[in-house]
Amino acid sequence: EVQLVESGGGLVQPGRSLKLSCVASGFTFSNYGMNWIRQAPGKGLEWVAYISSGSSYIYYAETVKGRFTISRDNAKNTLYLQMTSLRSEDTALYYCARLGGPGYVMDAWGQGASVTVSS
Amino acid sequence: DIVLTQSPATLSVTPGESVSLSCRASQGISTSIHWYQQKSNESPRLLIKYASQSISGIPSRFSGSGSGTDFTLSINRVESEDFSVYYCQQSYSLPLTFGSGTKLEIK
Repeated sequence: EVQLVESGGGLVQPGRSLKLSCVASGFTFSNYGMNWIRQAPGKGLEWVAYISSGSSYIYYAETVKGRFTISRDNAKNTLYLQMTSLRSEDTALYYCARLGGPGYVMDAWGQGASVTVSS
Repeated sequence: DIVLTQSPATLSVTPGESVSLSCRASQGISTSIHWYQQKSNESPRLLIKYASQSISGIPSRFSGSGSGTDFTLSINRVESEDFSVYYCQQSYSLPLTFGSGTKLEIK
């Protein structure tokens, strides 16, 4: 069974940093591109970042470019999102999602990690 | 960025009715549209990929159609478990974008 389990969320002050992790199991993690998607409270889905299977290709949404860093450790089956200079508008539930085959189609999602940016 | 406009925002139906949800893209995107279902307090689930391709494990009452700028998710005879929010997402170009969702609610 494919599983994605996020962790590392919490309450953080504006301007501070936080690092999310997503541990994958039930599939060969190193064969799949991965994304971070977020959802602000009561709002829709927003793509945040993408990383290819071997980390050769990385893309970010303009809203987080320069502040967030996506990375992965295929030996540990883990995806990361380093978030710096956090703002109140970054408050959201952060999902990691697997790309299922060619193209940016997300066929498996974690349960989400909650990030609240507030003083 | 490609903007996806979903309509209606809310759709009130009676179980057993058949419904169509719309997603319109701000420019032509071929068939690079995907549909997700998100139940309350759950993660999104992929329903349909590339406009009309079925996904293993998804009930056959869900189907998709369209190309270019206009896309439709159809649910044949809505069941109680289908009442949730539906999102479309485009993969034609980065940044990936989602529609704002259609909430399917019980009338």
